[in-house]
Amino acid sequence: DIQMTQSPSSLSASVGDRVSITCRASQSFSSYLNWYQQKPGKAPKLLIFAASSLQDGVPSRFTCSGSGTDFTLTISDLRPEDFATYYCQQTYSIPFTFGGGTKVEI
Amino acid sequence: QVQLVESGGGVVQPGRSLRLSCAASGFTFSSYDMHWVRQAPGMGLEWVTLIWYDGSNKDYADSVKGRFTISRDNSKSTVYLQMNSLRAEDTAVYYCARRGGSSSVVYFDNWGQGTLVTVSS
Repeated sequence: DIQMTQSPSSLSASVGDRVSITCRASQSFSSYLNWYQQKPGKAPKLLIFAASSLQDGVPSRFTCSGSGTDFTLTISDLRPEDFATYYCQQTYSIPFTFGGGTKVEI
Repeated sequence: QVQLVESGGGVVQPGRSLRLSCAASGFTFSSYDMHWVRQAPGMGLEWVTLIWYDGSNKDYADSVKGRFTISRDNSKSTVYLQMNSLRAEDTAVYYCARRGGSSSVVYFDNWGQGTLVTVSS
């Protein structure tokens, strides 16, 4: 199984900040990497798929870079509605494993 | 709009069974692979199982293999998760999710609201 390791597990930030979350895979793959946002009590929401493609309706302040084993989600100009937990997911091979999550807090 | 509605969760004793349902609407259900993902209380997401659009292929996480069975009824636009021999560690919110993408690109573009399964004596 491919292990996905996210860092940090949590971070504190302020509105207007730029934050970055890293996702490291235990083996290399090109772009089979997705990012989800989850708010308390809600289902996850797709943000980015195929490593760099923004899902419809997702603001352009969310970007992703990387390939191989290291990927980074960057949120520019943090907004109040961005405070949530973020998960990466690989869909290169089954089981489609998720990272442990990164909680972005005020 | 796309809607996925899970049902069937509840409290069940260890070793017993439960069947979850996920009713889909707003899209051509028979054209999409479907997945179940679970989330234990306070924990992260765990992929559980998938079923192809026509039911011809299924796959499972090792943690549920041999105990859980996914199925679908395209005439009812519903996917099911039959959970047998339940354990305390199966306690989680169970989400159904629609596979987006084409060819080898896979992502989950729509999720249900989740249904809570609690395994406890």
